[in-house]
Amino acid sequence: DQQVKQNSPSLSVQEGRISILNCDYTNSMFDYFLWYKKYPAEGPTFLISISSIKDKNEDGRFTVFLNKSAKHLSLHIVPSQPGDSAVYFCAASVYSGAGSYQLTFGKGTKLSVIP
Amino acid sequence: DADVTQTPRNRITKTGKRIMLECSQTKGHDRMYWYRQDPGLGLRLIYYSFDVKDINKGEISDGYSVSRQAQAKFSLSLESAIPNQTALYFCATSDPTGANEKLFFGSGTQLSVL
Repeated sequence: DQQVKQNSPSLSVQEGRISILNCDYTNSMFDYFLWYKKYPAEGPTFLISISSIKDKNEDGRFTVFLNKSAKHLSLHIVPSQPGDSAVYFCAASVYSGAGSYQLTFGKGTKLSVIP
Repeated sequence: DADVTQTPRNRITKTGKRIMLECSQTKGHDRMYWYRQDPGLGLRLIYYSFDVKDINKGEISDGYSVSRQAQAKFSLSLESAIPNQTALYFCATSDPTGANEKLFFGSGTQLSVL
């Protein structure tokens, strides 16, 4: 059963416009939600995160919104730039005992920003 | 130099061969992980290690084994490779910072099993 879902495999956006990447989850015990960005031939890199007790976190052009009642989060990129073209993974963290947290990743959404 | 280094970057092998993928890190992190990425399936955890004496199975450990030779080194082995193990493999490290623990990934090893 997939606990973290990214239902859009790909998204195309015009440069300068807003990109909205969505993520749904099923486990209400998730403590933190993280977004990772992956360029071709590179490993994923951390982008932004949000605690389950918050509803918004902003870092420059990137904002993540969390709607706990809907078990839904979204990543907004404003304005979108060609360098934002990458695969974005949504991930969720849950306590798994002995001081450790288990991270579950979604399948990823490929964002293409068109100049 | 990269903080998390994976070798080799690419490998083609035949069914039944033994393969080892290596990972070394200079970040000084205790925690190390091996993930696998398949198209349309995202990242799935194979094995993880919280220190040199600690090895844990992840979501998809069957057909794989690992060795934590030192704090900085974590290798993944396929004892007898099969075609459905063709995938992109990532090593990652982290510091135990709680629920917001961030992973630092290597650049990946593309493995093809023919």
